[in-house]
Amino acid sequence: KQEVTQIPAALSVPEGENLVLNCSFTDSAIYNLQWFRQDPGKGLTSLLLIQSSQREQTSGRLNASLDKSSGRSTLYIAASQPGDSATYLCAVRNSGGYQKVTFGTGTKLQVIP
Amino acid sequence: NAGVTQTPKFQVLKTGQSMTLQCAQDMNHNSMYWYRQDPGMGLRLIYYSASEGTTDKGEVPNGYNVSRLNKREFSLRLESAAPSQTSVYFCASSEQGWDTEAFFGQGTRLTVV
Repeated sequence: KQEVTQIPAALSVPEGENLVLNCSFTDSAIYNLQWFRQDPGKGLTSLLLIQSSQREQTSGRLNASLDKSSGRSTLYIAASQPGDSATYLCAVRNSGGYQKVTFGTGTKLQVIP
Repeated sequence: NAGVTQTPKFQVLKTGQSMTLQCAQDMNHNSMYWYRQDPGMGLRLIYYSASEGTTDKGEVPNGYNVSRLNKREFSLRLESAAPSQTSVYFCASSEQGWDTEAFFGQGTRLTVV
């Protein structure tokens, strides 16, 4: 059974810092991995979707990498801003069925002005 | 551009009462999903609909039923609410399964007393 872990559960950084969020998964036979952002009391917003054949995806100040062999994905946020404060979740689509998606429990990020 | 719209946003039920959570998307997506989010746990799939006219059970379907009314709408029904169903419920949609970016609604916070 796929297990997805996000450590740390919470992170606090000063504004302007570059930071890395981690997502680890136990079964490397994945189809894709998606990073989401969730603001308090809101739904999830997709940030980046990486297919298993890709190594990384970029959108603005965000860069997500995928290393299937080591069971790891990282989300890099450059020049963090207070508006980046949110919970970041990763979701792994497992091989064997498109409905087999496992979510991590998220990293709650606070960017301090 | 509404995206995924869920109603209601908040609901309190007594044990044994029934209710239907409504979800509609305006992106012409084929696939729709219902998830629940509980503290300390990742999102868990309740039911999904790969396309109009089809529905299938997810990870935690007991106590729930769904209807894919048409391509736009996917409802979730609790026939006899239990305190264990206290949770935040999210509807999501995607163009075609988890091959593509997923879009989430704002969530329904349900409390069963």
